[in-house]
Order: sequence, then structure tokens, then C-alpha cells
Amino acid sequence: EDQVTQSPEALRLQEGESSSLNCSYTVSGLRGLFWYRQDPGKGPEFLFTLYSAGEEKEKERLKATLTKKESFLHITAPKPEDSATYLCAVHRHQGGKLIFGQGTELSVKP
Amino acid sequence: ETGVTQSPTHLIKTRGQQVTLRCSSQSGHNTVSWYQQALGQGPQFIFQYYREEENGRGNFPPRFSGLQFPNYSSELNVNALELDDSALYLCASRTSSNTGELFFGEGSRLTVL
Repeated sequence: EDQVTQSPEALRLQEGESSSLNCSYTVSGLRGLFWYRQDPGKGPEFLFTLYSAGEEKEKERLKATLTKKESFLHITAPKPEDSATYLCAVHRHQGGKLIFGQGTELSVKP
Repeated sequence: ETGVTQSPTHLIKTRGQQVTLRCSSQSGHNTVSWYQQALGQGPQFIFQYYREEENGRGNFPPRFSGLQFPNYSSELNVNALELDDSALYLCASRTSSNTGELFFGEGSRLTVL
């Protein structure tokens, strides 16, 4: 059965304290892995798509990496405005749906 | 802003009632999907529409139904509302039925009393 698990569920950082969020997945036929950011009461905001193991993508303080079993979202020198829930989702070759993890709630304190 | 707009943003219904939620997809996007997000959970796939036909469905009962119109906008209808239907309902669009990034609207917050 396809499954996506994110860890930790919640992460508290001090401003400038770098860390990583993990997304472990089991899926038959991965078409792509997506990272989204979601602010409270808002819809998910697209960040990255990764398609193959070894691929990396960067955007400002965020860097996403992918292996055959997991993806990491690295946050370098975070700022309070990076506080949000980060969602990971996988897209299978068959069907158009995304399968989401439960998210990691990130809080960055000044 | 993604260009995906949803209405209404918030609504309150009572158990047993029916609700219709609406979505306008981003310009150029012909595929629309709907997700249900309970508090503290990731979004769960309800169904997807491509060229006005349903072409994928998650584990939701038949009282969840939808439509897509020729201009690619979409509706989600839920009959016989239950308390557990309280959630954020998200509409998302992409450029084709099976590829490309999915862009979400801000959602419709449904509360069932």
C-alpha cells in the first residue's frame, strides 16, 4: 500500500538554526515527489517537484533532495517567516492523485 | 496567488444537509481535483476531473459527487452531511490529467453541526 510518512510532526527552531525535515515513502511507480508549504487556514503553496533519486532543488533557504526511499527538506538559517506546515506528497505513474504525508509543523522563533 | 479560486471560503451546515462548493481553475489548466483536509492531517484525494469527466476517485462514498464545466471550473457536492465531513476542502488544478505540478486554491472551510 502506498504510504507517505513525515517526521518530525513538529519542529521548533531558533532563528538561524539549520535543520532538516524528512519524508519517507513507499509507492509503486513514483512519478514525482512534491513539497508544499501551508500557512494556517490557507491552501498548500507549491515549492518543489523531484523526479529521480539524486535530484536536488533549491529555493532561497530551502533545499530538497530525493533518494529511492525518502526526501529531505533542508532549511538553512531559517527566519520566523519560514514558520508553516510543510507537506510532502508522492505522485504515482498510475492515476493523477497525490498521496500526502501528515505534514511537519515548523516554528522558528526570533 | 495561484489563480485557483474557491467559494465560499467558510460555511456552516447542519447534519443531513447538502452543500455545493465551487472552484475556478487556473487559466490554461484543464484538470481539476478535490481534496479533503481534516485538522492536523494532510489532504486526502476525493476525485479528479479531466475534460468534464471523472477520471480518478479516492475512498469517499457516493454522497461526494462533482462536476466539471466546459470552462474547466468545477463543483463539489456533498449530500447527507455528517459531523466528520467538517474539514477544509481544497481544489487544485494542473495542465493535464496526469502530469505537472498541482496548484491549490485557498480552500473552503466547512463546519457541520
